Amino acid sequence: EDQVTQSPEALRLQEGESSSLNCSYTVSGLRGLFWYRQDPGKGPEFLFTLYSAGEEKEKERLKATLTKKESFLHITAPKPEDSATYLCAVQAWNTDKLIFGTGTRLQVFP
Amino acid sequence: EADIYQTPRYLVIGTGKKITLECSQTMGHDKMYWYQQDPGMELHLIHYSYGVNSTEKGDLSSESTVSRIRTEHFPLTLESARPSHTSQYLCASSVMSGGGTDTQYFGPGTRLTVL
Repeated sequence: EDQVTQSPEALRLQEGESSSLNCSYTVSGLRGLFWYRQDPGKGPEFLFTLYSAGEEKEKERLKATLTKKESFLHITAPKPEDSATYLCAVQAWNTDKLIFGTGTRLQVFP
Repeated sequence: EADIYQTPRYLVIGTGKKITLECSQTMGHDKMYWYQQDPGMELHLIHYSYGVNSTEKGDLSSESTVSRIRTEHFPLTLESARPSHTSQYLCASSVMSGGGTDTQYFGPGTRLTVL
C-alpha cells in the first residue's frame, strides 16, 4: 500500500536556525514526489516536484532532495514568513492520484 | 490571471440543508479534484474528473456528488448536510508537467460547519 509519513509533526525554530523536514514514503513505482506549503485556512501552494533519486531543487531558502525511500526539505536561515505547514505527497505510475502525508507544522520565531 | 476559485470561503449551515460548493478554474486544465481535510490530518480525495461528463469517486467515501458540465466548473453538492460533514473542502486542477507527472494546483478552500 502506498504511504507517506512526515516527521516531525511540529518544529519550532529561531529565525536563522537551519533545519530539515523528513518525508518517508513507500510507493509501487514512484512517478513523482511533491512538496506543498499550506498556510492556515488556505489551500496548499505547490513548491517542488522531484522525479528520481539524487535529484535536488531549490527555491529561495528551501531545498528539496530525494532518495529511494525519503525526501528532505532543507530550510536555510528561515524567516518568520516561512512559518506554515509543509505537505509531502507521492504519485505512483499506475495512477493520477496523490497520496499525502499529514504535514510538518513549522513555526519560525524572530 | 489564470487561477482556481472556490466559493463560499466559509459556510455555516443547519442540519438537513442542501448545499453546493463552487469551484472554477481559468487555467484550461482537464483534470479536477475535490479533497476533504480535517485539522492536522492528510488530504483525502473524495471526487475527481478527467474532463467534461467524466466523474469518479475517490478513496474516501463521501455522501457528496459532483458534476462536470463545463471544463472550468466542478461543483460539489451535499443533498442533506449533517454535522459529520463539517470539514475543509479543497478543489484542485492539474496539468501534465514535463516529467510526466500531474502537478495539482489548489484553490483557497471552503470551510464548512454544519450545526
